[in-house]
Amino acid sequence: EAGVAQSPRYKIIEKRQSVAFWCNPISGHATLYWYQQILGQGPKLLIQFQNNGVVDDSQLPKDRFSAERLKGVDSTLKIQPAKLEDSAVYLCASSLEPGPDTQYFGPGTRLTVL
Amino acid sequence: GDSVTQMEGPVTLSEEAFLTINCTYTATGYPSLFWYVQYPGEGLQLLLKATKADDKGSNKGFEATYRKETTSFHLEKGSVQVSDSAVYFCALSDSNYQLIWGAGTKLIIKP
Repeated sequence: EAGVAQSPRYKIIEKRQSVAFWCNPISGHATLYWYQQILGQGPKLLIQFQNNGVVDDSQLPKDRFSAERLKGVDSTLKIQPAKLEDSAVYLCASSLEPGPDTQYFGPGTRLTVL
Repeated sequence: GDSVTQMEGPVTLSEEAFLTINCTYTATGYPSLFWYVQYPGEGLQLLLKATKADDKGSNKGFEATYRKETTSFHLEKGSVQVSDSAVYFCALSDSNYQLIWGAGTKLIIKP
């Protein structure tokens, strides 16, 4: 079974630029999560989708971050414009059904904002 | 709000040594508790979990017991290997089934 795919694996941009991350969840998984993991900290949930609807985006900085899940499969997370403090690893996870112990994580995208 | 505190790393041990990584939590109600592991270059993986007091989770030689009296979920392994080198995260699920994470503990095992 293929795992959660993410791209790119690494991205370096300058502040005020835009960036987008892509995630392809495990086939058949209805729930998709985006996390932000700052160096030295645990992951922080940004947004949770159930199929193509948003379940929770309470910690998503909506003035600069946006996310969508087209047709309830792939998802993209965008930052526009980026700030220095956005430097982090962005993790995507998926699960067959909602619940913390059923989440499968991708390898993450490491973003550096200069 | 709910929170998880785990010991700072890095923790450096020799192969075959005994491992303990401390984890304590603050939560309302009775959360489920988890240990996740992140090997170099890989995604987070669930290592073990416990869903109620006195439960013991175990996997790959690792164990952790849900202690409600001390609000702890310490990770232990009797004899570590070089391949256990990774970052270990303690986490709990809140009332919305969302994960609250500790900061992670980097484990380095020397041959």
